[in-house]
Order: sequence, then C-alpha cells, then structure tokens
Amino acid sequence: QVQLVESGGGVVQPGTSLRLSCAASGFIFTDYVVHWVRQAPGKGPEWVAVMSPNGDIKFYTDSVRGRFTISRDNSKSTLYLEMNNLRTEDTALYFCARDPILDRPDYFDYWGQGTLVTVSS
Amino acid sequence: VMTQTPLSLSVTPGQAASISCKSSESLLQSGGRTCLYWYLQKPGQSPQLLIYEVSRRFSGVPDRFSGSGSGTDFTLKISRVEAEDVGVYYCMQGLHLPFTFGPGTKVDIE
Repeated sequence: QVQLVESGGGVVQPGTSLRLSCAASGFIFTDYVVHWVRQAPGKGPEWVAVMSPNGDIKFYTDSVRGRFTISRDNSKSTLYLEMNNLRTEDTALYFCARDPILDRPDYFDYWGQGTLVTVSS
Repeated sequence: VMTQTPLSLSVTPGQAASISCKSSESLLQSGGRTCLYWYLQKPGQSPQLLIYEVSRRFSGVPDRFSGSGSGTDFTLKISRVEAEDVGVYYCMQGLHLPFTFGPGTKVDIE
C-alpha cells in the first residue's frame, strides 16, 4: 500500500534552517508528482511546494519562495524540503502528499502523517 | 478564494448532512475536467481524499458520500451520517497553483 513517512521536524529558533524528509513506498516514486502541504495549529491545510517526477519543475507558494527548496532523490524514493531563514509563521505540521496525475500538479490522493516544525525563540 | 458553509454542523447519526463549497472562479479546466476535491480530516489524522473531480468517490470511500456541482458551486452530501464521519471537511481547488482549501466544515455527532 502507498506509504509516505515524514521526518526531520523539531523546535528551532527564527532565522535557522531545517531539512524535512519524506520516505515513500508502495508505489513507483519516480512516476509521480509530489507535494509538501502544511497545516498551522488550528488552521486548514496550506499548499507549500510541488516537484515533477524528474525534478525539473518546481513551484512554491509565495510566502516560502526563496527560503524553501524542494528536492527529491528518486534512487531513495525520498522527497525533501530544505527550509532556511525560518519564521515563527512557518510553525506547522508538514505533510508530504502524492499527486495521482503523472504529468502535472492536480491534487493529493495520499498524505503522510506529518512532521511538526515549531519556530520559536 | 474558496468558501464553505456551514462552518460547523452537528448531526444525529443516520441523518443526512450537506456542505456547500463555492469558488470565486470557475474550476472547469480547458480539457473538460472540473478541479474540485473534498477531503476529510478526522481528529488527530492527516486529511484523506473523499471525492475527486466533483463527484468521483476515491477508493474505499463509502457510497453514502456523494459530490455534485459545477462551475463555482459544489456540494458534498452524506446520506446517513455515522459516528466515524466526524472531523473537518475541506474542499480544495486544483485548477491552478497555489492549490487552495476552503476554511473547513467541522462535523460532529449530536
């Protein structure tokens, strides 16, 4: 079955960096578009970033562009999110999610359980 | 912008429930698909896909869930609410990035 397992979250100070990972299994990772989606405490989900199957296409939401970098290692079936210059408003549960449409961003059919990032001084 | 009504709903088991979702723009794609999706986030869990492309039930979703609508106005209906249906329901547009969610409708059992 499809599984997405995030890791790397933690408590960090504003201005610092963190790298999240998402290990995928149960499907051919190299075939799929994958996303990062976050959810601040008590709020709804917010789309963050997306990457194409071969990594040549990436898009970001405005609030993280220039600070966050999405990447993937298809040989390890793993998605990453490098987060730099973190702000208190980046505090959230970060999910990776698979997109069932193979050639363009469309929606999310499977989500991981999330990893919590807390940015606080 | 995605809006939902009501924002909360208290339902007796076995009764029907309905959630409305409106988009500020048509979600009809040039290829003919309508990019409106429904997710349920049960307490303490990640969101799970219920309905894709307005009315198509995702694998394993009970047939008491149904979606309808077109253009900018959409509805999720639960024909007979069960205790396991509690949580927050979100609609989402997947027409263009950034994908955006409605504010959510919290459903609980009376």
